Amino acid sequence: DSGVTQTPKHLITATGQRVTLRCSPRSGDLSVYWYQQSLDQGLQFLIQYYNGEERAKGNILERFSAQQFPDLHSELNLSSLELGDSALYFCASSVRYTGELFFGEGSRLTVL
Amino acid sequence: SQELEQSPQSLIVQEGKNLTINCTSSKTLYGLYWYKQKYGEGLIFLMMLQKGGEEKSHEKITAKLDEKKQQSSLHITASQPSHAGIYLCGADIGLLIQGAQKLVFGQGTRLTINP
Repeated sequence: DSGVTQTPKHLITATGQRVTLRCSPRSGDLSVYWYQQSLDQGLQFLIQYYNGEERAKGNILERFSAQQFPDLHSELNLSSLELGDSALYFCASSVRYTGELFFGEGSRLTVL
Repeated sequence: SQELEQSPQSLIVQEGKNLTINCTSSKTLYGLYWYKQKYGEGLIFLMMLQKGGEEKSHEKITAKLDEKKQQSSLHITASQPSHAGIYLCGADIGLLIQGAQKLVFGQGTRLTINP
């Protein structure tokens, strides 16, 4: 158990819909990272937050947005969903920027 | 990511055999990380390399970062079924902004251990 909690574990929805994925980092970790993993693209960095502020951005689509709240939990919002958005979405956290990230079990999104 | 290339993409070895996985970057690496993932699960940190020529070991897994800091190898000795999984190398491509870390990963190497 990494200490990072992601909900929901599985989510099935239809094209055009909007979903929210939630992440609770390890106690004391200030950084939260979001990744998307699919068979064809591999593990793609989406975005990083540090103590509530966005610090690094990757290949995150404009239809996607994220935020980190004062209690340090984070949410990833995915809107106008397309079939290609089906993937495993991981959240990770770290105390500081050391490269040692603790990953959650992921949220598996299926868009039909 | 395009920044990191891993080889091979998949590897099947017999239990007890040694194996090596490579990770190559076109740019100088300021931090190279190895992670392991079991299918459908989260990644688990294995080790971090920062200095050229650095070598670290954990149980039967050894990782090295070459002198030029553009290539790393992960070597498993006397492989066991518990070593099976996907191995990913990661690198911080460095935004030089305090608190920022863009950790990108290679495509991964899927390791299968046959008994």
